[in-house]
Amino acid sequence: DIQMTQSPSSLSASVGDRVAITCRASQSIITYLSWYQQKPGKAPNLLIYAASTLQSGVPSRFSGSGSGTDFTLIISSLQPEDFATYYCQQSYSTPWTFGPGTKVEVK
Amino acid sequence: QVQLQESGPGLVKPSETLSLTCTVSGVSISSSYWSWIRQPPGKGLEWIGFIHYGGNINYNPSLNSRVTISGDTSKNQFSLKLSSVTAADTAVYYCARAPTHIAARHFDYWGQGTLVTVSS
Repeated sequence: DIQMTQSPSSLSASVGDRVAITCRASQSIITYLSWYQQKPGKAPNLLIYAASTLQSGVPSRFSGSGSGTDFTLIISSLQPEDFATYYCQQSYSTPWTFGPGTKVEVK
Repeated sequence: QVQLQESGPGLVKPSETLSLTCTVSGVSISSSYWSWIRQPPGKGLEWIGFIHYGGNINYNPSLNSRVTISGDTSKNQFSLKLSSVTAADTAVYYCARAPTHIAARHFDYWGQGTLVTVSS
């Protein structure tokens, strides 16, 4: 199985801050990487797929980059509705696996 | 508009079989990859498996011997059966779609999730 790790596991930030979350795969997954946002009691919401493609309807303050084993999700200017948990997910090979999540909290 | 809705018992006894159905509207299940994903309370996401009507069913090896995913195109539904459940199978279960036209599979539509508790 491909193991996914994320860092940090949590972070505190303020509205307007630039936030970066990293995701690392245990082997190369090329660009078969997606990012999701999850709020309490809700299903995850797709933000980015294929490492850097913004899902339709997702604000442009979200961006993704990376290839191979190292990936980054950037929120350019944190908004109140962005406080949530973020997960990465690989689909290079089955079993598809998720990272453990990064919780973005209010500073 | 694509919508997914999970249904099934919210309480299952240990050693019994968990059965859930996902009803899909807005798109035919004859295309795309249709997955089950679960999330234990307060924990992360675990992919359980998918069905694809290209003739492909794939399960997470961690659950492989206990999982069955099947589909009913006449009802536009797909289902999950997980046998011999224990308390460790207590989780919110989601159904989700991954489109086929992008090689990098991703879940663009999700059900709202249903909590299944394993307890006697």
